[in-house]
Amino acid sequence: DTGVSQDPRHKITKRGQNVTFRCDPISEHNRLYWYRQTLGQGPEFLTYFQNEAQLEKSRLLSDRFSAERPKGSFSTLEIQRTEQGDSAMYLCASGIRGGGNTIYFGEGSWLTVV
Amino acid sequence: EDQVTQSPEALRLQEGESSSLNCSYTVSGLRGLFWYRQDPGKGPEFLFTLYSAGEEKEKERLKATLTKKESFLHITAPKPEDSATYLCAVQAIEYGGSEKLVFGKGTKLTVNP
Repeated sequence: DTGVSQDPRHKITKRGQNVTFRCDPISEHNRLYWYRQTLGQGPEFLTYFQNEAQLEKSRLLSDRFSAERPKGSFSTLEIQRTEQGDSAMYLCASGIRGGGNTIYFGEGSWLTVV
Repeated sequence: EDQVTQSPEALRLQEGESSSLNCSYTVSGLRGLFWYRQDPGKGPEFLFTLYSAGEEKEKERLKATLTKKESFLHITAPKPEDSATYLCAVQAIEYGGSEKLVFGKGTKLTVNP
């Protein structure tokens, strides 16, 4: 399977703990996105990378959230001092410059904060 | 005000009963309109991208159309395996140079055998 890969698929953590999610985009895709989705809602944009540069951050991305894409390949999304309101599915997507505006999503990482 | 509104919120069809899902948008300067299918507990699966009014795209039993204010996803003779939530998203010039997609809340489609 050469689609977008996310790990872990599910994470249960206690409030106040830190969590990290990893995303491996489709090979050769230089655009990478993180979105968050809660039940009954559409995905909401968090941040965007072109290669290793983080070019956009939503105001939803509070100081407790940080995302990196160190070598322009895989990306990590870290949430520090988790809160119950952080419980959601975190989606990674990738696209290729020159491939139109279409992006392709991974299966998501479910976070439950207890 | 929501920029992307999908209707109905839920739709129940009998197998073979054709219907349409609606996505209306209020953004100006549309850069692209996207349809995705999402199964429970999974990430959205790409279906179509439309760029300009009058454009149409088809894939199996699905056909997407675009006007200046809305898009329709037509489902012809649906099967139970078409049951899913269908998401619409837009990318707009008014977002500046932003790459973000703004999603609607989706239409949950159930097709009964």
